[in-house]
Amino acid sequence: DAKTTQPPSMDCAEGRAANLPCNHSTISGNEYVYWYRQIHSQGPQYIIHGLKNNETNEMASLIITEDRKSSTLILPHATLRDTAVYYCIVIRDNYGQNFVFGPGTRLSVLP
Amino acid sequence: NAGVTQTPKFQVLKTGQSMTLQCAQDMNHEYMSWYRQDPGMGLRLIHYSVGAGITDQGEVPNGYNVSRSTTEDFPLRLLSAAPSQTSVYFCASGGWNSYEQYFGPGTRLTVT
Repeated sequence: DAKTTQPPSMDCAEGRAANLPCNHSTISGNEYVYWYRQIHSQGPQYIIHGLKNNETNEMASLIITEDRKSSTLILPHATLRDTAVYYCIVIRDNYGQNFVFGPGTRLSVLP
Repeated sequence: NAGVTQTPKFQVLKTGQSMTLQCAQDMNHEYMSWYRQDPGMGLRLIHYSVGAGITDQGEVPNGYNVSRSTTEDFPLRLLSAAPSQTSVYFCASGGWNSYEQYFGPGTRLTVT
């Protein structure tokens, strides 16, 4: 599975959009991009995933570049409860199972 | 529907002791797995199972055993605890027709 690179930390003002980048330049054609987050010390929580098209759900949007070498997770209106570590994971299976978690990006939403 | 449950929440062991971390899910998921998370790090896969009677090793399996006798339960056994096994342990489950994995609340283990 492809490796990912994320900035270690980011800040975002409450109510503004949070844009979290992820680089996955070695991604293969059949690999999906998944995003999970971990609030404080809880278990990780699924956010969104995609293959090559942009995706949106009630939590976030996922923008994948045309060459699929990078992606951006967008939280449209960040709240204090969005403060968490966000993990970008690339995995071959659509039904992602054996994840490889990197250190992720620690997002701090500031009042 | 309780999701994924883990017991105990906290545990302190002495070096050389053994114990079992319990994980159960009530979603009839085929896939279950165990991860460990060391301070400031991401999660690393220990063992996983794709169904009752089937288990396999992940990235860091040494010092741990698992078995899967039922769909619901996936216990993790520490054979002889070492300080290097001090960590937070997360259990997860997922169905083959679902892209989402569900994680339990974690067990915080300290080995002295």
